[in-house]
Amino acid sequence: GAVVSQHPSRVICKSGTSVKIECRSLDFQATTMFWYRQFPKKSLMLMATSNEGSKATYEQGVEKDKFLINHASLTLSTLTVTSAHPEDSSFYICSARGAGDSPLHFGNGTRLTVT
Amino acid sequence: EDQVTQSPEALRLQEGESSSLNCSYTVSGLRGLFWYRQDPGKGPEFLFTLYSAGEEKEKERLKATLTKKESFLHITAPKPEDSATYLCAVQPSGAGSYQLTFGKGTKLSVIP
Repeated sequence: GAVVSQHPSRVICKSGTSVKIECRSLDFQATTMFWYRQFPKKSLMLMATSNEGSKATYEQGVEKDKFLINHASLTLSTLTVTSAHPEDSSFYICSARGAGDSPLHFGNGTRLTVT
Repeated sequence: EDQVTQSPEALRLQEGESSSLNCSYTVSGLRGLFWYRQDPGKGPEFLFTLYSAGEEKEKERLKATLTKKESFLHITAPKPEDSATYLCAVQPSGAGSYQLTFGKGTKLSVIP
């Protein structure tokens, strides 16, 4: 089945630094990738939609200058959390879909802790 | 605004005790309803897609059904390895729309 690989799985960084998270589709080309954030006992919250070769579309309330998304190829999207603060600590999950009506497949998430 | 409500929030079952999880939804035209399983510290794992009322899908001990207002995930004779959080999501109809709205999930614990 479709595999989405996300790295790193865990990262701890100091306040004010930037962190890059990678999301790769391993066995299919992903025309669209999505970045989610998940809080304990809450729904997955869509942050942005990433389209290969074009600018990402951010959901209302998500700061595009803080959460930089680059979808450089059909198999790779990156999320960079810039100038991270403790309130950015969360579980970030990417997902990807191929062509047609294929379902979303998710990476294993990245647990970000900002100290 | 699309909404997905899952119940119960948490469910404890004895091994072998069958039950159902509920997903109620409101959406401006349903393109698809999805069930995912999520283990702690992991991303969601795709289980089923349902497209129209009356449709059913099965996989091992799981069966998903769909009506115009809700979906059920039936778990028959569950085993401890079925313990996980089960997420329901809807995809609205509309050209180019693939954004899913998720419920908060049902945390299932199956006790040996």
